[in-house]
Amino acid sequence: AQSVTQLGSHVSVSEGALVLLRCNYSSSVPPYLFWYVQYPNQGLQLLLKYTTGATLVKGINGFEAEFKKSETSFHLTKPSAHMSDAAEYFCAVCNSGGSNYKLTFGKGTLLTVNP
Amino acid sequence: EPEVTQTPSHQVTQMGQEVILRCVPISNHLYFYWYRQILGQKVEFLVSFYNNEISEKSEIFDDQFSVERPDGSNFTLKIRSTKLEDSAMYFCASSPGLARYEQYFGPGTRLTVT
Repeated sequence: AQSVTQLGSHVSVSEGALVLLRCNYSSSVPPYLFWYVQYPNQGLQLLLKYTTGATLVKGINGFEAEFKKSETSFHLTKPSAHMSDAAEYFCAVCNSGGSNYKLTFGKGTLLTVNP
Repeated sequence: EPEVTQTPSHQVTQMGQEVILRCVPISNHLYFYWYRQILGQKVEFLVSFYNNEISEKSEIFDDQFSVERPDGSNFTLKIRSTKLEDSAMYFCASSPGLARYEQYFGPGTRLTVT
């Protein structure tokens, strides 16, 4: 079974400050890892993904995440927050070895950006 | 850019009624999914669909639920007899054949059961 834990249901940062959203996962097989963003009244948009290869992955809007196997983590960062980053962020995992790639999501972290 | 679309955006129904939620996946995608998100809770997997049959379903996806791809473009989720606890946002997703893990989500249908 796989699971995702997102530490902090709500993170508040000032505009221009570092954004750090935490995600830890558990998986019995090598995982594929994802971050999705959900803006108000919209669907889930893929921010970035890790499947294989380089453990630091870059996504849209200046976000990046690093896969750390030893820590079972996939934290999302952005050096400088922008007001438009305010949204809910979901970390998700799926098993790389299965035939069905169902996603297991964390509970989400609501990011607030203060002017 | 191609996108997944869902209709309606909001559906209100009475308990015991049947509802059909509709999705148009991205046209060259081969794998289709339904997820739901009860207010304040996680997004949960319901069912995956490939080659005109269910490939996996969760415990939530009981006999009250069914999925269908009635033509080459639509993908539907039917709830036969809705319950209050079915109130949620329902997301459709699709993925291409070569990157099944890369799922593209629609904007969701908010189902309210009264």
